[in-house]
Amino acid sequence: ETGVTQSPTHLIKTRGQQVTLRCSSQSGHNTVSWYQQALGQGPQFIFQYYREEENGRGNFPPRFSGLQFPNYSSELNVNALELDDSALYLCASSSRGTYNEQFFGPGTRLTVL
Amino acid sequence: RKEVEQDPGPFNVPEGATVAFNCTYSNSASQSFFWYRQDCRKEPKLLMSVYSSGNEDGRFTAQLNRASQYISLLIRDSKLSDSATYLCVVTYYNTDKLIFGTGTRLQVFP
Repeated sequence: ETGVTQSPTHLIKTRGQQVTLRCSSQSGHNTVSWYQQALGQGPQFIFQYYREEENGRGNFPPRFSGLQFPNYSSELNVNALELDDSALYLCASSSRGTYNEQFFGPGTRLTVL
Repeated sequence: RKEVEQDPGPFNVPEGATVAFNCTYSNSASQSFFWYRQDCRKEPKLLMSVYSSGNEDGRFTAQLNRASQYISLLIRDSKLSDSATYLCVVTYYNTDKLIFGTGTRLQVFP
């Protein structure tokens, strides 16, 4: 069984730039959720994708956007980066119908300078 | 007020000790409850689900009190390998959005 993978592992950007983070879901999973974890905080829900459509969104501005592809992998895009966007970005995959159990990838650590 | 509140710790305990973590949630519509474990600079991993009747998994016991909107995790006979951050998580009915507390850091020393 292949677990959740994310790329890149680390990324450094400057304010105003754009970034794309990628996630491959676990084999057999069709739902991908994205979370942002700032230092010393718990993960915060950004949004979820199911069958290539956004299926729920947290309290994040529109400059956070995403995609899900037919193979259930997903991208998180952040435009006009701000210093406060520096965080660990976690992707979690799950299977619709499974009672909320989500499996997390190792995360992408984004630093905005 | 945060939706899920935890004491951030750290809790520093010797090996073999029993330690308890508490968590409160603000929304009575919360449906499902979990404890996740997160090692330093790693991803969160599901430790256990929490049921109204309480549940036990080896040295770990989780309790839920819906009336008080309170969740607990008890770790008995602490091991050095238990050192991690423990995240309290709730979800609402018919949603897959996980709502995390800030986590409680546990450090077990020899």
